[in-house]
Amino acid sequence: QKEVEQDPGPLSVPEGAIVSLNCTYSNSAFQYFMWYRQYSRKGPELLMYTYSSGNKEDGRFTAQVDKSSKYISLFIRDSQPSDSATYLCAMSGAGSYQLTFGKGTKLSVIP
Amino acid sequence: KAGVTQTPRYLIKTRGQQVTLSCSPISGHRSVSWYQQTPGQGLQFLFEYFSETQRNKGNFPGRFSGRQFSNSRSEMNVSTLELGDSALYLCASSPGGRGSWTDTQYFGPGTRLTVL
Repeated sequence: QKEVEQDPGPLSVPEGAIVSLNCTYSNSAFQYFMWYRQYSRKGPELLMYTYSSGNKEDGRFTAQVDKSSKYISLFIRDSQPSDSATYLCAMSGAGSYQLTFGKGTKLSVIP
Repeated sequence: KAGVTQTPRYLIKTRGQQVTLSCSPISGHRSVSWYQQTPGQGLQFLFEYFSETQRNKGNFPGRFSGRQFSNSRSEMNVSTLELGDSALYLCASSPGGRGSWTDTQYFGPGTRLTVL
């Protein structure tokens, strides 16, 4: 079993839709959870960063972490064509200097 | 502030050759991490350097090595290239101080290596 599982999609939604992206993980030592966005031919850029369980909101983006279920989510409200990218979840444990990534979900927002 | 830069952006090599990739972190950042990204395996951690010392290493063979210079610039080297080494190699930098596992990692655009 992979440490981090993420549905690769592709996911196609109409403009304005609410998008839900998810990852599950198996390593209970993970405490820091991140979502990165990667456009084609670019490096990943950090979107959201959360510590332990709970919700965090930033504009149209909401990140949720449920450590009891080992499940994290990213919600995108009022999705825009410019949100079309690959979304990667990543996580790390305390004292760890490495990120463990999901394989990424490719999202297309259709105008 | 300039971002993370990686050179070269594209590279074509043949099996058996070796390659060196370069990464310049954001000014003031002392931690540099390297990742390999492939369609099959996704992003996988290679190693992390802080103040010229390797602090952490992923599960890659010894053909993959790296180093960091006193100005925090980093290089990674792959010897005896194999077809499976074709990938996007990403470098990420962070401040890397005490408790640095909470630091945000900023990624460069990557070097796309093709092994023929």
